[in-house]
Amino acid sequence: DIVMTQSPDSLAVSLGERATINCKSSQSLLYSSNNRDSLAWYQQKPGQPPKLLIYWASMRESGVPDRFSGSGSGTDFTLTISSLQVEDVAVYYCQQYYSSPGITFGQGTRLEIK
Amino acid sequence: QVELQESGPGLVKPSETLSLTCTVSGGSIRSYYWRWIRQPPGKGLEYIGYIYYNGNTNYNPSLKSRVTISVDTSQNQFSLKLSSVTAADTAVYYCARDNTMIRGVLDYWGRGKLVTVSS
Repeated sequence: DIVMTQSPDSLAVSLGERATINCKSSQSLLYSSNNRDSLAWYQQKPGQPPKLLIYWASMRESGVPDRFSGSGSGTDFTLTISSLQVEDVAVYYCQQYYSSPGITFGQGTRLEIK
Repeated sequence: QVELQESGPGLVKPSETLSLTCTVSGGSIRSYYWRWIRQPPGKGLEYIGYIYYNGNTNYNPSLKSRVTISVDTSQNQFSLKLSSVTAADTAVYYCARDNTMIRGVLDYWGRGKLVTVSS
């Protein structure tokens, strides 16, 4: 199994400041057929299902604000929120689909307002 | 707009079988992969398994001996059965759909169904 490890487990950032969440996979997620990394990011607010934000490590899902961006390759990835808004308070999960049909998630990072 | 809705008992006794159904509306169940994901209270997300509309399945190896996922295309539904449950199976169970072009990216989710295992 590919193990996904996120850091930190929780994070407090001031409104308008940058938030950075890291995700590390136990093996490379680079999909050779298209030279893209099989890594997605989800946002989960209390009482709601996860919402897809990013796929192929850096491609934003339709309708996701451009303050959300994904970067990284191979085994190390980052989700960045450029200017934190109140509505961004949530738990964020990375997920690999390199081994699809099997998929695995990181343990989650809780983002709060400082 | 595609919508997914989980249904089934919210309370299951230990050693019995958990059964849930996901009803898909606003779109056809055909030509997509459909998954079950669960989340224990206060914890992270765990992949349970998926089914393709033609009946092909894949299960998480850690749950494979206890899981069965089936599909009913005539009802636009797919179902989950998890046998011999224990308290560790208490979780919110989500159904979700794979992105049409990218297998493994989940772009539509149900709201989730809390299932508690308790006598």
